[in-house]
Amino acid sequence: KQEVTQIPAALSVPEGENLVLNCSFTDSAIYNLQWFRQDPGKGLTSLLLIQSSQREQTSGRLNASLDKSSGRSTLYIAASQPGDSATYLCAVGGSQGNLIFGKGTKLSVKP
Amino acid sequence: DAGVIQSPRHEVTEMGQEVTLRCKPISGHDYLFWYRQTMMRGLELLIYFNNNVPIDDSGMPEDRFSAKMPNASFSTLKIQPSEPRDSAVYFCASSSPSGLANYGYTFGSGTRLTVV
Repeated sequence: KQEVTQIPAALSVPEGENLVLNCSFTDSAIYNLQWFRQDPGKGLTSLLLIQSSQREQTSGRLNASLDKSSGRSTLYIAASQPGDSATYLCAVGGSQGNLIFGKGTKLSVKP
Repeated sequence: DAGVIQSPRHEVTEMGQEVTLRCKPISGHDYLFWYRQTMMRGLELLIYFNNNVPIDDSGMPEDRFSAKMPNASFSTLKIQPSEPRDSAVYFCASSSPSGLANYGYTFGSGTRLTVV
């Protein structure tokens, strides 16, 4: 059974810092991996999606990498801003379209 | 497009009552997913449909939970009878085959259910 773990559970950094969020999964037979952002009381917003054949995806200040063989993904946020404060969720996708989520990393960026 | 629309946004009900949550997926999307989010367990997949047909309901916690998708533009998740431990945020998401490959899911804003 696929399990997704995110470390750390919470992270607080000063504005301007570069940071890395980690995600690991137990079964490397994944279809894709997706990073989401969730603001308090809100739904999930898709940030980046990496296909199983890809190694990384970039969008603005965000860069996500995928190492399927080791069961790891990282989300790199450059020059963090207070507006980046949110919970970041990693999810691995199976071939049938289902997503298995980690419990998230709650990020707080202090001005 | 208005995105995935869920109703109601908030629901407070008494234990033992029937609760019905509703979802309208994005037009043209043929996959629909129901998730539940709690502090303890995070986001859990309850059930998903493809072309209105349930594909996997192994995540549905008990027989008290049921889901239907009578047509491509509407789905319901019903809990009968409801219990306090069902209190959670319930999310609906939709996607298309190309979406799964390229753009992933689109989530609704969720329904916050409180059973007292």
